[in-house]
Amino acid sequence: EAEVAQSPRYKITEKSQAVAFWCDPISGHATLYWYRQILGQGPELLVQFQDESVVDDSQLPKDRFSAERLKGVDSTLKIQPAELGDSAMYLCASSLAPGRDGEQYFGPGTRLTVT
Amino acid sequence: SQQGEEDPQALSIQEGENATMNCSYKTSINNLQWYRQNSGRGLVHLILIRSNEREKHSGRLRVTLDTSKKSSSLLITASRAADTASYFCATDFQGAQKLVFGQGTRLTINP
Repeated sequence: EAEVAQSPRYKITEKSQAVAFWCDPISGHATLYWYRQILGQGPELLVQFQDESVVDDSQLPKDRFSAERLKGVDSTLKIQPAELGDSAMYLCASSLAPGRDGEQYFGPGTRLTVT
Repeated sequence: SQQGEEDPQALSIQEGENATMNCSYKTSINNLQWYRQNSGRGLVHLILIRSNEREKHSGRLRVTLDTSKKSSSLLITASRAADTASYFCATDFQGAQKLVFGQGTRLTINP
């Protein structure tokens, strides 16, 4: 069964350092999402791509976060510089259609710890 | 801010009992979805119910939707230890192009 791949699974970094996460969605899924999940809370959407275009990045802290999906397939989320408050689980998801019309398939996530 | 609010925040029951979780939301929706998350893992889609539907079933899961009360419930019958997880509702509210997740209900099934 096809799955969303993410790497790394765990990342420990010092504050002010740069960190990057990678996501490979299910083949054929045009829509890709990056979520941040703080412990004990639900996922919060950071950015949504339709193919290679950003359709929603209203909750992305653009002074330090960036995301790209250059060829409309895999995607990278970067944080520079990392802050202590960025410690969280970063989840990638993909779907055939935009969020409203169907289920999203989630990867296993990257657990980020900023020290 | 998160649209959906789950209730209770935590639920602990004995194996074999039924578990009911509730979700309330604030604005009109197109659909509502329920997801499960095992500890430290990604979310898994359970069921989607559209705004014009009142009830859906999938195996041991039953979801109801009351749009007049802006609420939904998830019932898991004959619970198993493997059902131990966090359960989230996610709403696709009208005018938005994204899902908004609630804070979840942490369910523990005791053997």
